[in-house]
Amino acid sequence: AQKITQTQPGMFVQEKEAVTLDCTYDTSDPSYGLFWYKQPSSGEMIFLIYQGSYDQQNATEGRYSLNFQKARKSANLVISASQLGDSAMYFCAMRGDQTGANNLFFGTGTRLTVIP
Amino acid sequence: EPEVTQTPSHQVTQMGQEVILRCVPISNHLYFYWYRQILGQKVEFLVSFYNNEISEKSEIFDDQFSVERPDGSNFTLKIRSTKLEDSAMYFCASGRDSSNQPQHFGDGTRLSIL
Repeated sequence: AQKITQTQPGMFVQEKEAVTLDCTYDTSDPSYGLFWYKQPSSGEMIFLIYQGSYDQQNATEGRYSLNFQKARKSANLVISASQLGDSAMYFCAMRGDQTGANNLFFGTGTRLTVIP
Repeated sequence: EPEVTQTPSHQVTQMGQEVILRCVPISNHLYFYWYRQILGQKVEFLVSFYNNEISEKSEIFDDQFSVERPDGSNFTLKIRSTKLEDSAMYFCASGRDSSNQPQHFGDGTRLSIL
């Protein structure tokens, strides 16, 4: 079975600084996908970035990058040049490892607060 | 940019009543999902739907729940005999295929059972 762990319930970062949100995972499937979603206080779930287990390079999307360390089973999200609008809950998720099961398993989330 | 739309945004229902939550997935997506998030907790998978049938469901998705795709655009979640503990945010999501493409989420329906 797959498991996602986010050990930081809350994080603070100064505006314009970079911040790393931790995510570790466990799966027996050699092929898997890792996702990060942002949930503002308004409640919607916004897809940020994706990393495939066979991808050779770390994923990047604008100010978001994923520090993927396969041997350590970690997929940390790095947000550069933090903005006040980045304040939100951030969820790490993994695609299910059973054949035909594409559902996502989510971590418990990290609440990021950007300080002006 | 196409998006997943959910209605209503907020539903208040008396315990024991039935509710239907509606979703319009992105038009060229083939895989559809329902997730639930109890206040302050993580997002939990309920059910996935492909080719007009359930492809996967979690332990949460018992006989109280059902899903349907009544036409070419809508995807519904029905909850019968609602209980207080069914109060949560319910998210619909859709995906283009079964690979590691992202699932796109709607804005959710906040269900409050009184």
